[in-house]
Amino acid sequence: ETGVTQSPTHLIKTRGQQVTLRCSSQSGHNTVSWYQQALGQGPQFIFQYYREEENGRGNFPPRFSGLQFPNYSSELNVNALELDDSALYLCASSLDQYNSPLHFGNGTRLTVT
Amino acid sequence: KQEVTQIPAALSVPEGENLVLNCSFTDSAIYNLQWFRQDPGKGLTSLLLIQSSQREQTSGRLNASLDKSSGRSTLYIAASQPGDSATYLCAGTGANNLFFGTGTRLTVIP
Repeated sequence: ETGVTQSPTHLIKTRGQQVTLRCSSQSGHNTVSWYQQALGQGPQFIFQYYREEENGRGNFPPRFSGLQFPNYSSELNVNALELDDSALYLCASSLDQYNSPLHFGNGTRLTVT
Repeated sequence: KQEVTQIPAALSVPEGENLVLNCSFTDSAIYNLQWFRQDPGKGLTSLLLIQSSQREQTSGRLNASLDKSSGRSTLYIAASQPGDSATYLCAGTGANNLFFGTGTRLTVIP
């Protein structure tokens, strides 16, 4: 059983650019969620996908968007990057939405300059 | 909006001590409450998940309790070890969202 993997591990972008972060969930996990974690803070829920459809969203603007694919991979896209978008981005997968623990990847550290 | 608070923010204990970490939440309409540990610069590792219908869960030296009516959960760590040093986070799962606390940074001194 492989764990959750994220790529890239680190990324530096310039304000105004666009970025795509990738996540490969554990096989069989239908649910994937994405989080933004600023330094010294708890993760903030961005959104959740279940069977390729978004079914939950936190307090993030529309320039944060995502996709989930049938092969258990997913993407987080952020447009028009702002300096405050600098953070650790984490994805997590689970067997279902409410009864199974979350399995996290090690995250992508995004720096916006 | 759900708010999750963890107290204390940081804790240092000598090796071998038993300790309790606290988590409180404002909205009792949660499906489950999860506890995680996070090592510096890493992702989160799931420790325990308590369903809303349950009162506690145990795994090895860890025991987590849940009292939905009072909006509280505790994580009890028995016989702490230096390897337990990490940040511990609790999270409540609501309808299509999940709210984390800001964590308790635990240091176990050898």
